[in-house]
This record gives sequence, structure tokens and C-alpha cells, in this order.
Amino acid sequence: GESVGLHLPTLSVQEGDNSIINCAYSNSASDYFIWYKQESGKGPQFIIDIRSNMDKRQGQRVTVLLNKTVKHLSLQIAATQPGDSAVYFCVLDDKIIFGKGTRLHILP
Amino acid sequence: GAVVSQHPSWVICKSGTSVKIECRSLDFQATTMFWYRQFPKQSLMLMATSNEGSKATYEQGVEKDKFLINHASLTLSTLTVTSAHPEDSSFYICSATTLGAGGPITPDTQYFGPGTRLTVL
Repeated sequence: GESVGLHLPTLSVQEGDNSIINCAYSNSASDYFIWYKQESGKGPQFIIDIRSNMDKRQGQRVTVLLNKTVKHLSLQIAATQPGDSAVYFCVLDDKIIFGKGTRLHILP
Repeated sequence: GAVVSQHPSWVICKSGTSVKIECRSLDFQATTMFWYRQFPKQSLMLMATSNEGSKATYEQGVEKDKFLINHASLTLSTLTVTSAHPEDSSFYICSATTLGAGGPITPDTQYFGPGTRLTVL
């Protein structure tokens, strides 16, 4: 999740199904995590964030899960819609370094 | 919420020319702005951090003489790609924050522009 410059992996999900996008990180001292959504040809858009003192946080149709033991972060999108098609990035702390991202492709 | 604009949204130029990209915070004062570059199907790569009134801090591997950054006011930062070449063709994105460098950057204080697509022929 912290390697930049690599080609993006793609997750294909049927419309209406739930999507789970994963992010692995290496710095155990990371304290703050943000998920961004980037639609084609646009800048990143904030989705949800979580601090290290939490394991789970929910928003509208989205849930972020944090497992500090294995240094893993996931974004769950419920009832995936065509408008969810985008690239999703996890960003750590305030360094503003983007991970490689995952492209979410919605199947009709 | 706060809005960050970029101008132009896209630009095509000839090899060897210089191109200036503007990043503006429309309704707030941005003490720090970040410039990113994104190649097709790749992640955003941080190029530099720009603080108002001081020199930009460039990430390793980014040529400061090639990518000139000026942050002359609290609402405007510019990125000039000098002597552009086809390999500089990319999507350039800026972001603005209301806190100075070193402060916690949160979604409440970090705003991204819509990006500028540069194509060098």
C-alpha cells in the first residue's frame, strides 16, 4: 500500500455487491489513515478517515477497518454503484504520500 | 467546503517550451500547498511542498530547476515546467492546506484541485 509508481491493481465487482479494498502499510507508528477516491481525470476526493485508536469507522455506505497487528487497512463499500468506479488510495499520517491505489471496476 | 482550483485544466505545448500551472485556494488561505504528478494508471507522486513566502521543498528525484514552484501569496501557488519534453506529459494535481508544514493534515484542512493535464508534443 505504500509503494508508489506501480501500476494499479483492479478489483471488479458486480453492481449491488459489496466491495472490499485493501491497503497494507509498513510503519507501525502510523497514527492516522485516510481513504481517497479519484475518478478519472479528477483530483482525489476524501472518503473517510480513521485514527489508530480505533478499529472501525463507518460512514455513508463505507466502512474502514484497521488492523494494527498486521498493519492492514480496508475500505468496504456497501451495495456498490456505478458511481463508485474510481481509483481508491489509502494515505498515511500527514506525510501525504499516496499508496499505489486500487482501481474499482463495476460490472453491470 | 473549501475549493481549490487549477488553471488550465489541460494544456498542450511544444517540446522545449515552458508551461505554468496555477493552483488557487478560492475561499481560504493556504499556508501550504503540495504538488503531485500522476502518470497514466499510476499513483500520485508527491513532487514538492510549497509554503507561502519560502522556497519549496522538493522530493528526492524531482529537479527543482525543471519544476519551478512559486507560492507568493496565501491563495496562489504556481508550478512552471521549464523546457518541457514529452516525458513531462502527465496529470499535475495540487492540494492546499490551512496548516503550516509539520502540522497535522486532516480532511478538514486538506483540499485537492481538479488537476491539470499536460501534453508535450
